[in-house]
Amino acid sequence: DTEVTQTPKHLVMGMTNKKSLKCEQHMGHRAMYWYKQKAKKPPELMFVYSYEKLSINESVPSRFSPECPNSSLLNLHLHALQPEDSALYLCASSQDRGRLPYGYTFGSGTRLTVV
Amino acid sequence: QKEVEQDPGPLSVPEGAIVSLNCTYSNSAFQYFMWYRQYSRKGPELLMYTYSSGNKEDGRFTAQVDKSSKYISLFIRDSQPSDSATYLCAMNTGGFKTIFGAGTRLFVKA
Repeated sequence: DTEVTQTPKHLVMGMTNKKSLKCEQHMGHRAMYWYKQKAKKPPELMFVYSYEKLSINESVPSRFSPECPNSSLLNLHLHALQPEDSALYLCASSQDRGRLPYGYTFGSGTRLTVV
Repeated sequence: QKEVEQDPGPLSVPEGAIVSLNCTYSNSAFQYFMWYRQYSRKGPELLMYTYSSGNKEDGRFTAQVDKSSKYISLFIRDSQPSDSATYLCAMNTGGFKTIFGAGTRLFVKA
């Protein structure tokens, strides 16, 4: 299995809703990442988990709450989002620190719309 | 100044053309250089990587890194309509954080 699976593929939520994004990989990768990508922009790093511990938080607002229940799963809990948070949320994994020769394996993303 | 600069295009070429995609960067600590391909509404897919300076070839794709000029390139030979996508350069110093370029949109016309 060489995939990163993200669910749901699409999500529409109101500003008062609570929702969660899910990411799963079975490649034995020990680093997992959340990226945010706006249209025609590069992916921007949000969080990094290494060996199930939060290693990097890129000053992301607290309305985004990551969770890594085990080495294969990564969640992103969403609460009280703003319309400007609408974007493609990408999960990625890597065997180590994203070093060669593996780079990242990305999922297809969750397209989030906040109304 | 952005750490990584990449012309967003779009770049439109006829089928069979040689495509040249480029990025410049400012951080001399970057050691790992990657190219990702992203199709519409999909996640990026690792295409090529290079460590430090030099060239690497894989089929129709060649990646080049010139650290002295802080300049990296991706060449696509015999381009195909299926190569139409956004190409993102990416760089890493060896830690967890990879910096991506803005991406160049490529259209290959049949």
